[in-house]
Amino acid sequence: GENVGLHLPTLSVQEGDNSIINCAYSNSASDYFIWYKQESGKGPQFIIDIRSNMDKRQGQRVTVLLNKTVKHLSLQIAATQPGDSAVYFCAENMAGAGSYQLTFGKGTKLSVIP
Amino acid sequence: SQTIHQWPATLVQPVGSPLSLECTVEGTSNPNLYWYRQAAGRGLQLLFYSVGIGQISSEVPQNLSASRPQDRQFILSSKKLLLSDSGFYLCAWNRGLDEQFFGPGTRLTVL
Repeated sequence: GENVGLHLPTLSVQEGDNSIINCAYSNSASDYFIWYKQESGKGPQFIIDIRSNMDKRQGQRVTVLLNKTVKHLSLQIAATQPGDSAVYFCAENMAGAGSYQLTFGKGTKLSVIP
Repeated sequence: SQTIHQWPATLVQPVGSPLSLECTVEGTSNPNLYWYRQAAGRGLQLLFYSVGIGQISSEVPQNLSASRPQDRQFILSSKKLLLSDSGFYLCAWNRGLDEQFFGPGTRLTVL
């Protein structure tokens, strides 16, 4: 079936460098996408979201890019800090169709090297 | 501000024993409520969601059940736990179809 997946299961970056975490989705009807951060033993924390009528959205040190043509989503973290170390999940929803179900990818573990 | 609570934080139960996990939300009314399970090193699997008191939708057939006795209370139950029920159980809420806010989770180990 259609699902959300991730290109890279692990990512190690040097402190201060930029991080890019990628996500591929296959459901062309999805119109709402979210990035979550999950630290060990804790619940996922909302980072940023984007709707399908946008291709870029910026937050504090984070940027989400959406490429609907190739069904690709990415999360960019500027000046990565040790506190950014966590597992990052992308999730998709067909909010426009009235769906309550978020479909999550498997996650990418980001490790920041001090 | 809104907060979501889950308890217990950790639980170790023998196979065949019953289960009851509780989730409550504060600071909002008529939330949508969700139960997810997360296996070690994996993504989140939606188990149940509820859009109102007494309204439960099941996404995955299993030996678990959910109930919503009050507007801001969501309970996950089982009559007889299986080894495969071990995992990290997360409750979440939202008001529409947008981002969901997660609780701290319950780590369940079935032995």
